[in-house]
Amino acid sequence: GAVVSQHPSRVICKSGTSVKIECRSLDFQATTMFWYRQFPKKSLMLMATSNEGSKATYEQGVEKDKFLINHASLTLSTLTVTSAHPEDSSFYICSAKGAGVDQPQHFGDGTRLSIL
Amino acid sequence: AQSVAQPEDQVNVAEGNPLTVKCTYSVSGNPYLFWYVQYPNRGLQFLLKYITGDNLVKGSYGFEAEFNKSQTSFHLKKPSALVSDSALYFCAVRGGRDDKIIFGKGTRLHILP
Repeated sequence: GAVVSQHPSRVICKSGTSVKIECRSLDFQATTMFWYRQFPKKSLMLMATSNEGSKATYEQGVEKDKFLINHASLTLSTLTVTSAHPEDSSFYICSAKGAGVDQPQHFGDGTRLSIL
Repeated sequence: AQSVAQPEDQVNVAEGNPLTVKCTYSVSGNPYLFWYVQYPNRGLQFLLKYITGDNLVKGSYGFEAEFNKSQTSFHLKKPSALVSDSALYFCAVRGGRDDKIIFGKGTRLHILP
């Protein structure tokens, strides 16, 4: 089946650091990628949707300048959490889908971000 | 606007018994419906989808789901539960022209040995 690789799986860093998370589709072309945030025992909160080569569409309440998303190719999207603070600590998950409305999203294994 | 509801936070089933995880949806136009499973500290794994065709959809690990248009439901089922089925299950819907999927809040399934 389709494989999405997310890296790193875990990050622990000091407050004020910027952190980059990568999401790669390994065996298909991801025309659309999604970034989610998941709080403990909660559902996924969609942060933004990105299409290859264009600017990401952010959901209401998500700071564009805080969470920078780049989708430069059909196999790679990155999320950069800029000047991270403890309240940004969370589980971040990416997903990718190919062209076609009937295509499912395939998810990475997530990144556990802990800001000290 | 599209939405999806999973009315149960948690479902407990004895091993070997049939299981059902409920999901209802609201969407304009024809729905695209999905079920995903999440194990601890992992991303979501795709189980099955309904796009069109037979109302009973078969997916991975012996799971199936029944699409019911009149009740706007898409319940997940399995005839005989395994302890390894214990996980968090998400129902999701995509509808209209929007490409994004909306997820339910999730249902934690506990299979008791």
